[in-house]
Amino acid sequence: QVQLVQSGAEVKKPGASVKVSCKASGYTFTSYGISWVRQAPGQGLEWMGWISAYNGNTNYAQKLQGRVTMTTDTSTSTAYMELRSLRSDDTAVYYCARVILPVEFDYWGQGTLVTVSS
Amino acid sequence: NFMLTQPHSVSESPGKTVTISCTRSSGSIASNYVQWYQQRPGSSPTTVIYEDNQRPSGVPDRFSGSIDSSSNSASLTISGLKTEDEADYYCQSYDSSAFVVFGGGTKLTVL
Repeated sequence: QVQLVQSGAEVKKPGASVKVSCKASGYTFTSYGISWVRQAPGQGLEWMGWISAYNGNTNYAQKLQGRVTMTTDTSTSTAYMELRSLRSDDTAVYYCARVILPVEFDYWGQGTLVTVSS
Repeated sequence: NFMLTQPHSVSESPGKTVTISCTRSSGSIASNYVQWYQQRPGSSPTTVIYEDNQRPSGVPDRFSGSIDSSSNSASLTISGLKTEDEADYYCQSYDSSAFVVFGGGTKLTVL
């Protein structure tokens, strides 16, 4: 069965960086993309971008351009999302999700809480 | 880019039918597929409708999706409401460059 297992919760100071991992299993990793979606406390879903696990091509939300980098390691079927220059409004649960093209999400990770606080 | 607008909340009684709308601000609703996700408190989202009106296996046929070009909107209809349907529901679509847009979410209360 398809599973996406994310790394654990993080607490970071403003200005720092965070890197969240998402380990996939149960399918051929390079046949799908991985997207990252975040949800601030009590708020809705915000799409951050996605990466093709086949060729590494990326598509980032305009709002996060320059602060976010998405990568994959095909040898371990793991996707990564790094967010830099963290601010308090980056506090959120970060989800990875498997992408079916054009763009829909059929499996989601369990979420990773990132707290940014001084 | 376009926006997807949903009502903040809807409520209905068990056994009744409720419809949640999702209106696209620009461009045709029919030009890109719409998905619907259910999110219960403390859980990750799950798909209840994909490609406008398709139901994943395991989703009851009480859930249905449609699009209406005249109002440029998509709709999620849940019939025979059960208390377990109480959740947040999000519509999602994308543009020609594969940039994704989520609606703001609708809180469904079954009372």
